[in-house]
Amino acid sequence: DAKTTQPNSMESNEEEPVHLPCNHSTISGTDYIHWYRQLPSQGPEYVIHGLTSNVNNRMASLAIAEDRKSSTLILHRATLRDAAVYYCITQETSGSRLTFGEGTQLTVNP
Amino acid sequence: DAMVIQNPRYQVTQFGKPVTLSCSQTLNHNVMYWYQQKSSQAPKLLFHYYDKDFNNEADTPDNFQSRRPNTSFCFLDIRSPGLGDAAMYLCATSFRGQGGKNEQFFGPGTRLTVL
Repeated sequence: DAKTTQPNSMESNEEEPVHLPCNHSTISGTDYIHWYRQLPSQGPEYVIHGLTSNVNNRMASLAIAEDRKSSTLILHRATLRDAAVYYCITQETSGSRLTFGEGTQLTVNP
Repeated sequence: DAMVIQNPRYQVTQFGKPVTLSCSQTLNHNVMYWYQQKSSQAPKLLFHYYDKDFNNEADTPDNFQSRRPNTSFCFLDIRSPGLGDAAMYLCATSFRGQGGKNEQFFGPGTRLTVL
């Protein structure tokens, strides 16, 4: 799995958009980009994933650079419940494994 | 609701005393994983089962073993826990198949304390 690089921490204000960046410059052409988040005292939960095209779901949007060397998770309106560690992970198409990087601790201010 | 259940949520054991953590799932997923997460660190994959096939990570110590007697259950056995094995242990499941997105569903974890 390709190594990912994320900022250690970010802050946002409630009801404002949040853009969480991730670099994965060694990603291979068939690796998926996954995002998980881990709320305090809970197991990680799936947020979104994509391959080449931008993706939207009820939780977030995923913007993938044209060269796929970076991606951005977008929370359109942050809430206090979005405070968590966000992990960007690349996953081999044929594999099951997720290799978690250090993640970004998101703080949401009221 | 379909889910991943881990028991117990908190486990205390003594140094060197074998301990077993359990995980069950109602999702009928064919892959089950065990992760170790130490304080302020990211989860680290120990091993996973794809159906009955066991896949060990290269750096997982021999002290950690796993059993999957059926689709629904998976156990993590720590043969001789050391102080360094104190951590949160997370079980996860996924469905690996044609066209699947391989989303992993995590349980709430078992926090292991070693005295």
